[in-house]
Amino acid sequence: KNEVEQSPQNLTAQEGEFITINCSYSVGISALHWLQQHPGGGIVSLFMLSSGKKKHGRLIATINIQEKHSSLHITASHPRDSAVYICAVPLIIQGAQKLVFGQGTRLTINP
Amino acid sequence: EPEVTQTPSHQVTQMGQEVILRCVPISNHLYFYWYRQILGQKVEFLVSFYNNEISEKSEIFDDQFSVERPDGSNFTLKIRSTKLEDSAMYFCASRDRLTYYNNEQFFGPGTRLTVL
Repeated sequence: KNEVEQSPQNLTAQEGEFITINCSYSVGISALHWLQQHPGGGIVSLFMLSSGKKKHGRLIATINIQEKHSSLHITASHPRDSAVYICAVPLIIQGAQKLVFGQGTRLTINP
Repeated sequence: EPEVTQTPSHQVTQMGQEVILRCVPISNHLYFYWYRQILGQKVEFLVSFYNNEISEKSEIFDDQFSVERPDGSNFTLKIRSTKLEDSAMYFCASRDRLTYYNNEQFFGPGTRLTVL
């Protein structure tokens, strides 16, 4: 079973379009990571949020704790936004925290 | 800005050889993690480490794997006898302790391990 589900798995858009990536989770606690993975493989943390909305530049992340759902939005998308976007939920078992990852959304922005 | 570093960036080894992947977490962080990502698959948890001992490990983390914090700054992952299926990207992460439930993990750039 998938504890963290993302949609869509792949997304191709034109430069300038508004992008939405969704994440639903069935486990975890009241927080969620959004991460970005570039073609070279490195992972960069974009947001960690536990309520409401966070904004960083053209990126906006929202979370609804009751519905266990989060969205990542990109406004005025640009080819350099092309990457895999991953959501991850911290899960605590016996006092230890680990991240459970979604399968990622591969975003391609064409010029 | 402090960051997690990992060495080497790419390691190629023969099946059956031992490899050690190295990580330097952010200096005031107390919790350390290894994750791996097989090509085309999602990132998966391997092990968490706190207070000089493993706090949790996944089913993947069998007797071939071990972790160590040998000198208070490095955090290593050792694979004793590598198998072809160990080929993956290995990520180290660390976090501090300020707010236990919601604090952020910081990731290193990863080590790409190729087992031939």
